Amino acid sequence: SQTIHQWPATLVQPVGSPLSLECTVEGTSNPNLYWYRQAAGRGLQLLFYSVGIGQISSEVPQNLSASRPQDRQFILSSKKLLLSDSGFYLCAWSGLAGIGGELFFGEGSRLTVL
Amino acid sequence: GNSVTQMEGPVTLSEEAFLTINCTYTATGYPSLFWYVQYPGEGLQLLLKATKADDKGSNKGFEATYRKETTSFHLEKGSVQVSDSAVYFCALSDPTDSWGKLQFGAGTQVVVTP
Repeated sequence: SQTIHQWPATLVQPVGSPLSLECTVEGTSNPNLYWYRQAAGRGLQLLFYSVGIGQISSEVPQNLSASRPQDRQFILSSKKLLLSDSGFYLCAWSGLAGIGGELFFGEGSRLTVL
Repeated sequence: GNSVTQMEGPVTLSEEAFLTINCTYTATGYPSLFWYVQYPGEGLQLLLKATKADDKGSNKGFEATYRKETTSFHLEKGSVQVSDSAVYFCALSDPTDSWGKLQFGAGTQVVVTP
């Protein structure tokens, strides 16, 4: 069966520090991968998605970047965090034929920037 | 562009009460529609889905019917339990979007009291 894992689960970082959140998927190959952010009291915002190694699309200009160094690995990064980067970050995957299909989400990573 | 609108929360109910969460959408084609649930501190889980007009999705006592004429996908449950306390997200997938991205509503928090 397919599984998806994110880490770390919780992170407290000072403003200006770097960030690396990692997501891995097991039990499937060539998944579509997504990073969403959920700010406090708000809905889900799609940040990045990827359909293959090295292929990253950004939905919203921001202080973050994403990379996909391996087929089932998706990394969210920042060189210098801002207060506004605080939130709950969710990684998700879908099958290659993701059209009309569901997304499967990880457990989430809660980032607090102080 | 596509969008999803949900009723604002929080919705507070007593155990065994009837729950309705309204969801309407705007889409250019014939989207697939989803309800996801997020329990406290966790990621999102698919609750139910419908892929064409008049389809009814159901799971764990929850139901939602894809109404194209009213562009709606309202979530209902006849008798809620304390364990149903969570945030519920309505979402759509545009079949013309080959990347399988989901557009989410803002989420509706449901609180069920004993």
